[in-house]
Amino acid sequence: LAKTTQPISMDSYEGQEVNITCSHNNIATNDYITWYQQFPSQGPRFIIQGYKTKVTNEVASLFIPADRKSSTLSLPRVSLSDTAVYYCLVGTGRRALTFGSGTRLQVQP
Amino acid sequence: KAGVTQTPRYLIKTRGQQVTLSCSPISGHRSVSWYQQTPGQGLQFLFEYFSETQRNKGNFPGRFSGRQFSNSRSEMNVSTLELGDSALYLCASSAAGDREVLEQYFGPGTRLTVT
Repeated sequence: LAKTTQPISMDSYEGQEVNITCSHNNIATNDYITWYQQFPSQGPRFIIQGYKTKVTNEVASLFIPADRKSSTLSLPRVSLSDTAVYYCLVGTGRRALTFGSGTRLQVQP
Repeated sequence: KAGVTQTPRYLIKTRGQQVTLSCSPISGHRSVSWYQQTPGQGLQFLFEYFSETQRNKGNFPGRFSGRQFSNSRSEMNVSTLELGDSALYLCASSAAGDREVLEQYFGPGTRLTVT
């Protein structure tokens, strides 16, 4: 299994860029990297998914180095509403459905 | 498109009873997954159904079961409820094909309390 390691928590201020890194040393060739955001008492929300290099959408960017052993979710100019738990998932099939502990991001005014 | 819907939203049961939760996926989505979320254990994968077949399964006891109907709607059942089954049960759907699960869309969850 491609075990993932993320920081337990991070703090930031409104307007700053936040980068959350996920380590996945045992990533397999067919594995995708997916990030979700979860607010209290709600289901997770898909943010972004990638396989290699860089992916960008209207919400975030995902940077994946050539060796794919880590990935970085970048949130530009965070606001208070970005306070949430962020999960990094790696794999296909069942492994793509296994959530870790996530990173609790706290954005301060 | 309508999102994933789950019914009921809240449920209170007593130990030993059984419960059935329902999930309607996004139209066109054929994969439905179920998760249990508790403060202590976090978000844990229960099982995934695709085209009426259980395709993936997590590490939960046999008291937890599910099924998927031909219209992709899914139900999960928990028999002989225990206090530890109190949790938020989340359903997610995706347009996943046979080879990998792509982005999932989660419902609002069913909050189950076992007394």
